[in-house]
Amino acid sequence: AQSVTQLDSHVSVSEGTPVLLRCNYSSSYSPSLFWYVQHPNKGLQLLLKYTSAATLVKGINGFEAEFKKSETSFHLTKPSAHMSDAAEYFCVVSDNDYKLSFGAGTTVTVRA
Amino acid sequence: ETGVTQTPRHLVMGMTNKKSLKCEQHLGHNAMYWYKQSAKKPLELMFVYNFKEQTENNSVPSRFSPECPNSSHLFLHLHTLQPEDSALYLCASSQAGAGGRDTQYFGPGTRLTVL
Repeated sequence: AQSVTQLDSHVSVSEGTPVLLRCNYSSSYSPSLFWYVQHPNKGLQLLLKYTSAATLVKGINGFEAEFKKSETSFHLTKPSAHMSDAAEYFCVVSDNDYKLSFGAGTTVTVRA
Repeated sequence: ETGVTQTPRHLVMGMTNKKSLKCEQHLGHNAMYWYKQSAKKPLELMFVYNFKEQTENNSVPSRFSPECPNSSHLFLHLHTLQPEDSALYLCASSQAGAGGRDTQYFGPGTRLTVL
């Protein structure tokens, strides 16, 4: 069985400051892990993906995430937030088939 | 954007209406998916098609009827819906055939409101 817990339902940051979105997962196998972003009235866009290669994964728009097996975590970070980063972010886990398990989402607001 | 298009983008229907949602992918993928995104709830997988064959029906009520005429097109036929079916319906596609952890690419969604 697989599941994801996003530890924060809402994160608010000032423009130019770091962003941290926390995600813990549960998986019976060696999982694939994803972060997706959804801007208002848009579909989901892939930010990055981990598939058992390098534990530090770099994605689009300056985001990166680190896979920590011992902590069952896959936190998403960005060193400097931009106004355009305001959106909802989903952490997603997949075991060995096509089924994705989505977290409940973290809404990010960026203050000017 | 992502190579997956959905029409219409917005749909308002009465409970006695029949309507269809359409999804088309231009990525050469062979698996397609329907998801439901309701407010305050995680995305729910509804149906999966691999090579035009339905491989997953996640206990979806029969008032939702999917159709996959080819690997590029996916429909969701709606009839006798309930107000609680109001949600954002997302289509996705991936390269995976019989399974796998390939990336799913999502369309922009259809915002459905049932009156």
